[in-house]
Amino acid sequence: DTGVSQDPRHKITKRGQNVTFRCDPISEHNRLYWYRQTLGQGPEFLTYFQNEAQLEKSRLLSDRFSAERPKGSFSTLEIQRTEQGDSAMYLCASSLVGGLAVTYEQYFGPGTRLTVT
Amino acid sequence: GENVEQHPSTLSVQEGDSAVIKCTYSDSASNYFPWYKQELGKRPQLIIDIRSNVGEKKDQRIAVTLNKTAKHFSLHITETQPEDSAVYFCAASIRGFGNEKLTFGTGTRLTIIP
Repeated sequence: DTGVSQDPRHKITKRGQNVTFRCDPISEHNRLYWYRQTLGQGPEFLTYFQNEAQLEKSRLLSDRFSAERPKGSFSTLEIQRTEQGDSAMYLCASSLVGGLAVTYEQYFGPGTRLTVT
Repeated sequence: GENVEQHPSTLSVQEGDSAVIKCTYSDSASNYFPWYKQELGKRPQLIIDIRSNVGEKKDQRIAVTLNKTAKHFSLHITETQPEDSAVYFCAASIRGFGNEKLTFGTGTRLTIIP
């Protein structure tokens, strides 16, 4: 499968613990997005990277959340001191932005479902 | 920021009939409108998209229409089949200027009745 992959697919953690998720985008894609999806809602934007640079963060992203894309390839999303309200599906998407700002569609990964007990 | 509203939240149609899902957006700068299909437990998958310089686009049984003046766009599925059952999300984005984040609607659960 050459699509976007995410690991783990499911994570159950206790309140107060730290968790880290990984996203591997489609190999030639230079843009990487993180979204959060709660039950019955559409995905909500969290943050995005252009290569290794994190260019924008949503106000939804509290100080407990941090994301990295160290070499412009895979990305990690860490949540510190998890709260029950963090329970959601965390989705990663990637896209290719080419010359003259031609952009191709965002392809989503399967998501990581986080449950905080 | 952009706000996308989607209706209806649930829709049941007889197999073979047509289904229509409607969305409105608030930011007149939005210029790209994709539709994603999400089956239970699976990733959202792009099924069709439309840019603001086009009023309608078709792909086999699926079509999308856009009214920029009214800021609304719609998904039309004809000759529905059981495999069309899923949650459909509309989204809006501003392409070509930095962050091209997608702002999604709240989804429509479509059920095709055999």
